[in-house]
Amino acid sequence: AQKITQTQPGMFVQEKEAVTLDCTYDTSDQSYGLFWYKQPSSGEMIFLIYQGSYDEQNATEGRYSLNFQKARKSANLVISASQLGDSAMYFCAMRERYTGNQFYFGTGTSLTVIP
Amino acid sequence: SQTIHQWPATLVQPVGSPLSLECTVEGTSNPNLYWYRQAAGRGLQLLFYSIGIDQISSEVPQNLSASRPQDRQFILSSKKLLLSDSGFYLCAWSPTTGGYGELFFGEGSRLTVL
Repeated sequence: AQKITQTQPGMFVQEKEAVTLDCTYDTSDQSYGLFWYKQPSSGEMIFLIYQGSYDEQNATEGRYSLNFQKARKSANLVISASQLGDSAMYFCAMRERYTGNQFYFGTGTSLTVIP
Repeated sequence: SQTIHQWPATLVQPVGSPLSLECTVEGTSNPNLYWYRQAAGRGLQLLFYSIGIDQISSEVPQNLSASRPQDRQFILSSKKLLLSDSGFYLCAWSPTTGGYGELFFGEGSRLTVL
């Protein structure tokens, strides 16, 4: 079974609007971390936001927030007030406590911001 | 502050030739180190990870190998490249203590095997 599932291969959003990128995960571990990364066309992977499995509040970092629904095993990324520079691939990832050093990545969502 | 560098950035190699990609981390000690490969338009595939010098785990059987001769140096190698080795290779590190344990990536190396 896939550890991380991103069902949206491509998304479009109007500039200044908000957009939600979906991510669901599969784990039997009680302790895990969820991450979102941005990959612009240059290829570099940029860390955006982190959510721990024991965190009760949703993580926020500037215009990025993580909508964490533990019972549903979803960790959606919300980008508010989209900017042209947000156009990129976005990857959801998970790290489990018992597998320690392994990070599991989704297949990514390509976001295009339309002026 | 911590930085990670990998090189070369771009490489075009013939089938059957050797490969060496190098990655170094600065500003931290005893990091966990990783090599990922990303095929065009695809997600990331973990190739190797290392928790210490000469401690390397391989995730995918292939003609690639990795070595960690020093604490902050990670090398990806091949004796004979295949066409299927083409892709974007990313080195990454994560702290063993502190922070969220997130991965920090290098700039990437784009390999084309002809």
